[in-house]
Amino acid sequence: DAGVIQSPRHEVTEMGQEVTLRCKPISGHNSLFWYRQTMMRGLELLIYFNNNVPIDDSGMPEDRFSAKMPNASFSTLKIQPSEPRDSAVYFCASSLLLGGNPGNTIYFGEGSWLTVV
Amino acid sequence: AQSVAQPEDQVNVAEGNPLTVKCTYSVSGNPYLFWYVQYPNRGLQFLLKYITGDNLVKGSYGFEAEFNKSQTSFHLKKPSALVSDSALYFCAVRVSGADRGSTLGRLYFGRGTQLTVWP
Repeated sequence: DAGVIQSPRHEVTEMGQEVTLRCKPISGHNSLFWYRQTMMRGLELLIYFNNNVPIDDSGMPEDRFSAKMPNASFSTLKIQPSEPRDSAVYFCASSLLLGGNPGNTIYFGEGSWLTVV
Repeated sequence: AQSVAQPEDQVNVAEGNPLTVKCTYSVSGNPYLFWYVQYPNRGLQFLLKYITGDNLVKGSYGFEAEFNKSQTSFHLKKPSALVSDSALYFCAVRVSGADRGSTLGRLYFGRGTQLTVWP
C-alpha cells in the first residue's frame, strides 16, 4: 500500500496568496483527518471527515481555512489568504472506522511543510 | 473531555539502558491508546496500540507499552535503547462507548516527548 500521500511536501508562499494542500488517503479508508503541527501548539486537529462528510471542523482556525473531500480518494485543505502565522506542518491522516469502533490505526502522511513569508 | 498528558518534554538515556516514556490519559469512555514516533522532517509513524486484552502490548522496533487502568497510564518502554531511537514520541487516545458523536474516532494527542539516546 502506498500510504497516505500528501502534496506538496514543501511550499513557500507570500502572505496573501492562496495555498492548497492535497491528500490522497489509503484506499478503503473512510475517515480522513487534517492536523497542523507547530512548536507552540503541538498537534492540532483541524477537521475530520467520515465517509466524505465533515464531522468535526471545530479546529479550523478561522474562515480563511476551508477543507473539502469531494470523493473517498481525495481531500484538499485551502488557506485563503495565507498569513505568516499559518506557517506549520500540515498532516493528513486516514483510518477505517466501522460500526463506531475506533480500534483501527490512524495512518499519517509525510506532511506538507508550509512557510508563509 | 478527553485528554492525554506526557509529563516529560525530554527524556535522555544512554545507549543500552532501558527507556520509559510516560503517558497518562483521561477519557469518559473506553480508551483505545496509541503510540506514534516522529523522526525529524517526517510524518508520524505508528508504533503500537492497546485495544483490549493483554495489558502489555508489543510493537515495532522492540518497543512495548503497558496499559494500567487504575493509574490511567500507558507508558512506552524499551529494554535497551539505541541511538536510532532518538525521536519525538506521541501518545494518543481514541474513545468509544459512552463518548460518541463528533468526538468518536478522532485522536487526542499528548504534547510529545523528545527522546535522546546518547552513544
